[in-house]
Amino acid sequence: EIVLTQSPATLSLSPGERATLSCRANQSVNFLAWYQQKPGQAPRLLIYDTSNRAPGIPARFSGSGSGTDFTLTISSLEPEDFEVYYCQHRTSWPFAFGGGTKVEIK
Amino acid sequence: EVQLVQSGAEVKKPGESLRISCKGSGYRFTKYWFGWVRQMPGKGLEWMGIIYPDDSETRYSPACQGQVTISVDKSITTAYLQWSSLKASDTAVYYCARLGYSGSWGDYWGQGTPVTVSS
Repeated sequence: EIVLTQSPATLSLSPGERATLSCRANQSVNFLAWYQQKPGQAPRLLIYDTSNRAPGIPARFSGSGSGTDFTLTISSLEPEDFEVYYCQHRTSWPFAFGGGTKVEIK
Repeated sequence: EVQLVQSGAEVKKPGESLRISCKGSGYRFTKYWFGWVRQMPGKGLEWMGIIYPDDSETRYSPACQGQVTISVDKSITTAYLQWSSLKASDTAVYYCARLGYSGSWGDYWGQGTPVTVSS
């Protein structure tokens, strides 16, 4: 089973700063997705197939990586970006999410 | 417009049975994988299982195999998640999701169904 580990668990930054979130797999995965979740809401797909933005997602969100190491970058944090982010693989079933990274206001 | 609308919140006792639903509309229901995701209080997301409505092929996560049943009724474009005997540890919010992009990623989600199991 593929396990995804996200780091850091919490990222404390100020609006306008750059956020770099990491997702590491215990074995090679082909592609990764990233989701944002606000309290009390369903997750929202941000990035699919490692680096493609989902429709309507601002250009400040970007994804990169390959093999076992992947990154979500938010180039300049807006107030609405201070939420929880999850990565997910789909290489083989069972799919899995990482444990999440909370981006909080410093 | 693609929409997934889930059934309402449930409060149940341990040992009771339950079926929650998720109705899809605005797209070709039978041609997209459909998944259920659990989120326990204050915790992260877990895939429970997925189903392909066209032929009802179903896959369960190891943690959920034998604990729940996932099914669909194509005639009413609705998917179900069912328990025969609930436990307190089933208390969670359950989300349904359409798996777009070749059955890979949750591109549309239901609003979530909170389930509370308590004596």
